[in-house]
Amino acid sequence: GQSLEQPSEVTAVEGAIVQINCTYQTSGFYGLSWYQQHDGGAPTFLSYNALDGLEETGRFSSFLSRSDSYGYLLLQELQMKDSASYFCAVRDSLRGGATNKLIFGTGTLLAVQP
Amino acid sequence: DAGITQSPRYKITETGRQVTLMCHQTWSHSYMFWYRQDLGHGLRLIYYSAAADITDKGEVPDGYVVSRSKTENFPLTLESATRSQTSVYFCASSSELAYQETQYFGPGTRLLVL
Repeated sequence: GQSLEQPSEVTAVEGAIVQINCTYQTSGFYGLSWYQQHDGGAPTFLSYNALDGLEETGRFSSFLSRSDSYGYLLLQELQMKDSASYFCAVRDSLRGGATNKLIFGTGTLLAVQP
Repeated sequence: DAGITQSPRYKITETGRQVTLMCHQTWSHSYMFWYRQDLGHGLRLIYYSAAADITDKGEVPDGYVVSRSKTENFPLTLESATRSQTSVYFCASSSELAYQETQYFGPGTRLLVL
């Protein structure tokens, strides 16, 4: 089966950099995704890593190390609007192949303080 | 472009009643998903569908029924609602393309079972 672990809460100040970690255990690995969810809102896709290394999209970056079964989301120049929950997710696998189902971590609540 | 919509947005019902949550998407995505979100559990998959008339169970299917007679609609029915089904329900869709990582979520339905 698949399982993911991420911290439940992270607090940071406006303008700072914060890293949200995610470790996973999977029977097959087909990439790590990140989703953002504001309070009362729907999850929205942020990034996806299939290969090792860093992917940058504006203030957000996502990193993957497949050998360590580990990834992180890096948020730079934090803004108040970044206060939200962040979920990592992996694809479920079936009989050695990837499915379109995602398994989500329990989420990290990021609180950005002034 | 309406995207993906859910109705109702809020619902209060009583134990034992049948409730149907509606989901409609305008992208002609092959895959559709139903999740429930509860504090401490993140997003848990209830049912998913790979195409019209093809559905399969997710992680927590007990007490729920789905159908998909048309590509764009994926209703979720609670046959006899229980208090433990009080939750926020999200519908999502994704393309049939291989390794398409992005799932697009609807705004959610907040269900309270008394």
